[in-house]
Amino acid sequence: EADIYQTPRYLVIGTGKKITLECSQTMGHDKMYWYQQDPGMELHLIHYSYGVNSTEKGDLSSESTVSRIRTEHFPLTLESARPSHTSQYLCASSDRQGTYEQYFGPGTRLTVT
Amino acid sequence: DAKTTQPTSMDCAEGRAANLPCNHSTISGNEYVYWYRQIHSQGPQYIIHGLKNNETNEMASLIITEDRKSSTLILPHATLRDTAVYYCIVRPPVYRNQFYFGTGTSLTVIP
Repeated sequence: EADIYQTPRYLVIGTGKKITLECSQTMGHDKMYWYQQDPGMELHLIHYSYGVNSTEKGDLSSESTVSRIRTEHFPLTLESARPSHTSQYLCASSDRQGTYEQYFGPGTRLTVT
Repeated sequence: DAKTTQPTSMDCAEGRAANLPCNHSTISGNEYVYWYRQIHSQGPQYIIHGLKNNETNEMASLIITEDRKSSTLILPHATLRDTAVYYCIVRPPVYRNQFYFGTGTSLTVIP
């Protein structure tokens, strides 16, 4: 069982609010990722990190920002939420050795009204 | 990145083997084939991966053709809980470890 957690699981928030989606893993993985997925659609990588103080933008442009101050923590922030940000956000982590498989959290379903 | 082609959807009778095909004709010699599945919008779950040889674990078997241009994921005895979207991914052996998930195959196991 992968030990990666996301909070909140569901969030309904009004336009213009600042939000932070939390992601934590207890596996000591160096690499962490944020994906965005609309219902029935593909997963799109929006941010990734290779380690502490390392963050990169993914394939899909996103107005969100991320930080990686601690190995286990990779929060995603939206400074001003808009309805277009309504989506599911999935966090994942992986080790740099072994199978390189990505372990996913349960996701945060965000609705911006 | 090497892309994959999968059927959009498939059905399988409960208790029968589910065979999910994947084409990856542009795969390079050092690129791995990974399979994940996603049950009802939960986070994707790793199933299996391979490079050249066929692989088997407690969840599934992976058959890779000799030319490596296609593969098949086999769930030997499908159950209703195997209903999910299955993603076939080609992962280059580089440090970045980025996966392109695509649209996958929606497998429905029928009672």
